[in-house]
Amino acid sequence: NAGVTQTPKFQVLKTGQSMTLQCAQDMNHNSMYWYRQDPGMGLRLIYYSASEGTTDKGEVPNGYNVSRLNKREFSLRLESAAPSQTSVYFCASSEARGSNSPLHFGNGTRLTVT
Amino acid sequence: RKEVEQDPGPFNVPEGATVAFNCTYSNSASQSFFWYRQDCRKEPKLLMSVYSSGNEDGRFTAQLNRASQYISLLIRDSKLSDSATYLCVVNKGTGRRALTFGSGTRLQVQP
Repeated sequence: NAGVTQTPKFQVLKTGQSMTLQCAQDMNHNSMYWYRQDPGMGLRLIYYSASEGTTDKGEVPNGYNVSRLNKREFSLRLESAAPSQTSVYFCASSEARGSNSPLHFGNGTRLTVT
Repeated sequence: RKEVEQDPGPFNVPEGATVAFNCTYSNSASQSFFWYRQDCRKEPKLLMSVYSSGNEDGRFTAQLNRASQYISLLIRDSKLSDSATYLCVVNKGTGRRALTFGSGTRLQVQP
């Protein structure tokens, strides 16, 4: 049982390049999320999808887009990468829409934008 | 003031010691609280929820003090494997946007 799988694990981009971070979960969870984690700061929500077919902005959505491709997959796209987007990105899923159900995180993607 | 504040540490303790972390939150309307554990360069994992009456899970005890707006995590008989960063998470309302993560407290248990 893989849980939440993210790809790639590492990525280096030049300013202005684009890329898509992939995330898939095999737990039949309804809700999926993208967070970023920066040194000295807590995880911050970029976007989330409460259920298949819906997406909503989180705390720091600027510069990102998302697609909930189906119930399993939720991708995050950087259209024109900037150095400020250097971070560790975590995808997560949860069984229910409510905020009390545990978040299950993927292994993370370490992104560097030069 | 940050919504959720934690002492970043590190807390360096010997094996077998008891250690406690506090986490303060600014929104008095916060409704639910959690502790997550994050190992170095790994993903966060839920350690335990924090209930109003306090709760215990083995060597771990979580407490909530609504009057002073803080939660605590007590670890008894520390093990080397407890070395990690402990994230305080506060929910100030309904929905995922209401979840706020603290920046974490690093614990290093030494032999």
